[in-house]
Amino acid sequence: QSALTQPPSVSGSPGQSVTISCTGASSDVGTYNRVSWYRLPPGTAPKLMIYEVTIRPAGVPDRFSGSKSGNTASLTISGLQAEDEADYYCSSYTSTNTYVFGTGTKVTVL
Amino acid sequence: QVQLQQSGPGLVKPSETLSLTCTVSDGSISLHYWSWIRQPAGKGLEWIGRMYVSGNTKYSPSLKSRVAISLDTSKNQFSLKIHSVTAADTAIYYCARTNTWGSCFDHWGQGTPVTVSS
Repeated sequence: QSALTQPPSVSGSPGQSVTISCTGASSDVGTYNRVSWYRLPPGTAPKLMIYEVTIRPAGVPDRFSGSKSGNTASLTISGLQAEDEADYYCSSYTSTNTYVFGTGTKVTVL
Repeated sequence: QVQLQQSGPGLVKPSETLSLTCTVSDGSISLHYWSWIRQPAGKGLEWIGRMYVSGNTKYSPSLKSRVAISLDTSKNQFSLKIHSVTAADTAIYYCARTNTWGSCFDHWGQGTPVTVSS
């Protein structure tokens, strides 16, 4: 199972919006809505930001939103804040009853 | 709010077995799937495998021959063993809970850095 493809990095100024893409295949992202996004701050536990493509868990700001089209899912951060700077990973359930993660994207707030 | 507390050695010798344990703070261990995930230094996350209380397990094809996940409901714990480790198994290891619908990992342990070295 190949990793989902994400851009290595995205950046934006405070207040701007950034979008991270997550490209998979018909055997994962394209078929299943079990796509989730995680933030990995250095030295702490990963945090779930979005699940089932578009759903925000309690406590996640509505600045974070998710979408999917075909084999590509996306995470958009609107109104970028300094605290959003971190690594972000997408994940998808697959047709072989396993899970696959994305390659990871570093978000930098300029 | 469930908490996952990881424990285990941070240094393992090549060819030996890596063993980690995750303790679940509430009584939900019988209600969810439980996964192990790792992140090698400078690389992305890799799903290792998962287990349910029924004994139903699923492993990543790339690790299947060397991995075993077990669960002890009496201790609210689940464990990971990776046999015959090499330097390529050096990583931060995370335990995580899969949500009810199997659509995400909604709670994570704090991570355990493990180095494989003699």
